[in-house]
Amino acid sequence: EVQLVESGGGLVKPGGSLRLSCAASGFTFSTYSMNWVRQAPGKGLEWVSYISSTSTYIYYVDSVKGRFTISRDNAKNSLYLQMNSLRAEDTAVYYCARDAPVDLTGSPYYFDYWGQGTLVTVSS
Amino acid sequence: DIVMTQSPDSLAVSLGERATINCKSSQSVLYSSKNKNYLAWYQQKPGQPPKLLIYWASTRESGVPDRFSGSGSGTDFTLTISSLQAEDVAVYYCHQYYSRVTFGQGTRLEIK
Repeated sequence: EVQLVESGGGLVKPGGSLRLSCAASGFTFSTYSMNWVRQAPGKGLEWVSYISSTSTYIYYVDSVKGRFTISRDNAKNSLYLQMNSLRAEDTAVYYCARDAPVDLTGSPYYFDYWGQGTLVTVSS
Repeated sequence: DIVMTQSPDSLAVSLGERATINCKSSQSVLYSSKNKNYLAWYQQKPGQPPKLLIYWASTRESGVPDRFSGSGSGTDFTLTISSLQAEDVAVYYCHQYYSRVTFGQGTRLEIK
């Protein structure tokens, strides 16, 4: 059974940092691209970042470029999101989502499995 | 960026009736050489993560009831629930993956 379990969320002050983790199990993590998607309270979904299976291709939404860094450790079956210079508008539930195994072109496709999410609150 | 616009924002349908949700992209998401529309649909119930329903605009994900169907091509897409069940109450999102990733704003579906 595919499982994605996020952790690392919490309350942080504006300008602070946080590192999210996503522990994957039930599939060969090293062969799948992964994504982070966020959802502000009561709002819709916003894609944040993508990383290919070997970390060759990495993309971000414009609003987090230069502040967030996605990474992965295939030996530990884990995905990460380092978030720096946090702002109030980064407050959201952050989901990790598995990219569908379509091909190896290094582009995100649709997301076939999602974690339960971890809440990040940026407030003074 | 490709902008995805869903309509309506909310919808109330009687049990057993048809529900139709529309999604329009600001540019075509049809990859002509592959003849595939890079469009997916998700269902999100309160307190839960999104669940994949449809991909390539019309391919139903394994395990999704056949009352859910997707149609459309190019810039205009539709998610149809043929006979609404109580468990279908949720917010539905379209998602384009033709150029990076963007989601529609969501459509809230309720029982009338």
